[in-house]
Amino acid sequence: QSVLTQPPSVSGAPGQRVTISCTGSSSNIGARYDAHWYQRLPGTAPKLLIYANTNRPSGVSDRFSGSKTGTSASLAITGLQAEDEADYYCQSYDSSLNYWVFGGGTKLTVL
Amino acid sequence: EVQLVQSGAEVKKPGESLKISCKGSGYSFSNYWIGWVRQMPGKGLEWMGIIYPGDSDTRYRPSFEGQVTISADKSISTAYLQWSSLKASDTAMYYCARHVSLTGSNYYMDVWGKGTTVTVSS
Repeated sequence: QSVLTQPPSVSGAPGQRVTISCTGSSSNIGARYDAHWYQRLPGTAPKLLIYANTNRPSGVSDRFSGSKTGTSASLAITGLQAEDEADYYCQSYDSSLNYWVFGGGTKLTVL
Repeated sequence: EVQLVQSGAEVKKPGESLKISCKGSGYSFSNYWIGWVRQMPGKGLEWMGIIYPGDSDTRYRPSFEGQVTISADKSISTAYLQWSSLKASDTAMYYCARHVSLTGSNYYMDVWGKGTTVTVSS
């Protein structure tokens, strides 16, 4: 059981907007630690999608955006495409555990 | 281009030892933390530990301490994850990932290796 809680699955039709939540606590996202997001396409390694809550690395589509409020972070995907079907993970640092943590992951299905 | 290239898939028997590798290129290997992440079959990502190749400073998630050893050889830009006695429960995909610091312990993982599959079965 991770200290960062994500919904196990979300789904949406092509063209729609979906959001994935990542709920933490006062020892991780709610503290001074940022949330970061990764996309793991089937059969591939994780890829950095969003860092420091809201920042996209070069080459990542602007259809992906991140936000942080209080002890939670969210990933939004607009203009959903079939190629977005993947597992998405949030990540932060936990000062109570003293190590880096991932959320349990969310499987996105494009209907 | 910054890359992490991992060693190939391994099939081992319980009790055997194993060392897998992760070779960095395209950047100053000594100056970035490199970490290992486990993904067991059908499960999520688990952070295992990291090493700073410049001085071999190493940190472990408590549940992995004593179970694995993380090391690095900065002269050949390579990090390692090793087991002295494998168990069936070590069967998983193992990724290495470069850790980038924002401030303090605020790190993210910007470059990942493709992963090494480890299968432990009698």
